[in-house]
Amino acid sequence: GESVGLHLPTLSVQEGDNSIINCAYSNSASDYFIWYKQESGKGPQFIIDIRSNMDKRQGQRVTVLLNKTVKHLSLQIAATQPGDSAVYFCAENILGSWGKLQFGAGTQVVVTP
Amino acid sequence: DTEVTQTPKHLVMGMTNKKSLKCEQHMGHRAMYWYKQKAKKPPELMFVYSYEKLSINESVPSRFSPECPNSSLLNLHLHALQPEDSALYLCASSHSGALTGELFFGEGSRLTVL
Repeated sequence: GESVGLHLPTLSVQEGDNSIINCAYSNSASDYFIWYKQESGKGPQFIIDIRSNMDKRQGQRVTVLLNKTVKHLSLQIAATQPGDSAVYFCAENILGSWGKLQFGAGTQVVVTP
Repeated sequence: DTEVTQTPKHLVMGMTNKKSLKCEQHMGHRAMYWYKQKAKKPPELMFVYSYEKLSINESVPSRFSPECPNSSLLNLHLHALQPEDSALYLCASSHSGALTGELFFGEGSRLTVL
């Protein structure tokens, strides 16, 4: 079946460097995407979202890029900090499937000093 | 601090026990969700309530019984669970609407079934 997936299960980043987390989706009917951060022992926390009529959106230290041609989503974190260590999930909402947010497999980001 | 509060944070129960997980939010959201998350896996949708009515049941076994007493509260009643039901159970809420929108998650209730 169609699903959201991630290319890298674990990403090691040196403190201060930029991080790029990738996500591939296969459902062309997906029209809304969200990135969540989940720290150990906590629930997922919203980072940033993007709708399918956009290809880029920026937040504080984070940027989400959407390439609908190749069905690819990425999250860029600028100047990665130790507090950015967490599992990052992309999630998609399929047009017409209200309430059904489908999560990708997740990427563990480890920030090293 | 999360604005979605879940209790208890940890629960250990036997396969014959009956227990409940509770979730509360005071953000005025009219959509509430239960997700199940196994270790190192993404959250999986179980139930969605919209305006206190069950709108989505993702073919969840009947040993899990959701309840939405009012717009601020969501319960998950547990009965005759199996060890494989051990997981982190996450509650979330969102503004209702045509799109899911941002989900606000609680910190979860970690369930262990013996």
